Amino acid sequence: AQSVTQLDSQVPVFEEAPVELRCNYSSSVSVYLFWYVQYPNQGLQLLLKYLSGSTLVKGINGFEAEFNKSQTSFHLRKPSVHISDTAEYFCAVSDQEDTGRRALTFGSGTRLQVQP
Amino acid sequence: NAGVTQTPKFQVLKTGQSMTLQCAQDMNHEYMSWYRQDPGMGLRLIHYSVGAGITDQGEVPNGYNVSRSTTEDFPLRLLSAAPSQTSVYFCASSYMDSLNQETQYFGPGTRLLVL
Repeated sequence: AQSVTQLDSQVPVFEEAPVELRCNYSSSVSVYLFWYVQYPNQGLQLLLKYLSGSTLVKGINGFEAEFNKSQTSFHLRKPSVHISDTAEYFCAVSDQEDTGRRALTFGSGTRLQVQP
Repeated sequence: NAGVTQTPKFQVLKTGQSMTLQCAQDMNHEYMSWYRQDPGMGLRLIHYSVGAGITDQGEVPNGYNVSRSTTEDFPLRLLSAAPSQTSVYFCASSYMDSLNQETQYFGPGTRLLVL
């Protein structure tokens, strides 16, 4: 079974500073990778995804992530954060071979707290 | 498109009561699923459906029932609510493209408190 590890439960950062949110997954099989963002009291919004092709993926709001197959990682980065980026971020993985269940396995989330 | 919609947004139940959480999508997606979100645990799959008339269990199915009579709707039923079912529930839908790739889209969630 897949597992996803988000190493940091909380990441405080000052406005305009760079940030990296770390994500590692367990399986070596072919996977699809996703980052979702959840603003306070709201649902999950897709930030970016890796399905195939270039390992550097760009998403909304200036975020990007790099798929590293050898390290089974999919870290999320932003060069300069804003107060409005304060939210919880979830990394998720699905198994390309699992064409039946097709479920997402989520990490436990990282709360990004941007301070002025 | 309205996307994935869920009702109600909030609900308070007493232990032993039953209720149905509604989920609908207007994107003609064949795949729908229910997750619950608990602090520090991310989202966990409850039940899923790969098409009308077909449902199956996910990671944490106990205490929940589902049905899929139409492509659009995928209700989640709590037969006898327990405090352990206090959570935020998310419905999601997706379709698989010609490359067998898919992206799941989530509804806004239902916040349930069981007393």
